[in-house]
Amino acid sequence: DVKVTQSSRYLVKRTGEKVFLECVQDMDHENMFWYRQDPGLGLRLIYFSYDVKMKEKGDIPEGYSVSREKKERFSLILESASTNQTSMYLCASRSRGEGAGQPQHFGDGTRLSIL
Amino acid sequence: KNEVEQSPQNLTAQEGEFITINCSYSVGISALHWLQQHPGGGIVSLFMLSSGKKKHGRLIATINIQEKHSSLHITASHPRDSAVYICAVSSSDTDKLIFGTGTRLQVFP
Repeated sequence: DVKVTQSSRYLVKRTGEKVFLECVQDMDHENMFWYRQDPGLGLRLIYFSYDVKMKEKGDIPEGYSVSREKKERFSLILESASTNQTSMYLCASRSRGEGAGQPQHFGDGTRLSIL
Repeated sequence: KNEVEQSPQNLTAQEGEFITINCSYSVGISALHWLQQHPGGGIVSLFMLSSGKKKHGRLIATINIQEKHSSLHITASHPRDSAVYICAVSSSDTDKLIFGTGTRLQVFP
């Protein structure tokens, strides 16, 4: 079974802090994704990566950056945390595979609160 | 207007009832996914389908490509089915997932 592990289930940080969310997958997947999930808005894509050192902006990248130095690890960085970044953050990975539509495998999520 | 719309947003049922959750989409897709999210956050993939019908235990998913509509059915519902069910489509243009806002299901004994 694919395992996607997020480093923290719950995290509380202060406004202005630099915050790191870590995600590790154990199935040698090429593609990795970071989403945030908010009530009434569903999951929205922040950043994704197709390979090591590659990154692409998703739909809501403002205020975030990412790092993919190793294939199994994809980090989300909040450069200067703000209260509107309080949310549930979900990491996912997927094999590149033939064609589109391969299922994504999700971590358990990190519920981040910015005070 | 959202590209993926789910209905209803909230659903309560008595144990044993037949449940239907609907999903409509407005973009070209290569596949449609039904996901389940339990309290606490983790998301698991239930089905991925691009045509017809799939069945897994008490869960059945159907898709009508011409009408751009999918349904998730749960037969003989049970309290352990209580979760948020999320419809997502793989866009044929961008290869990204587009998510609905989810249906929160509560099944009472």
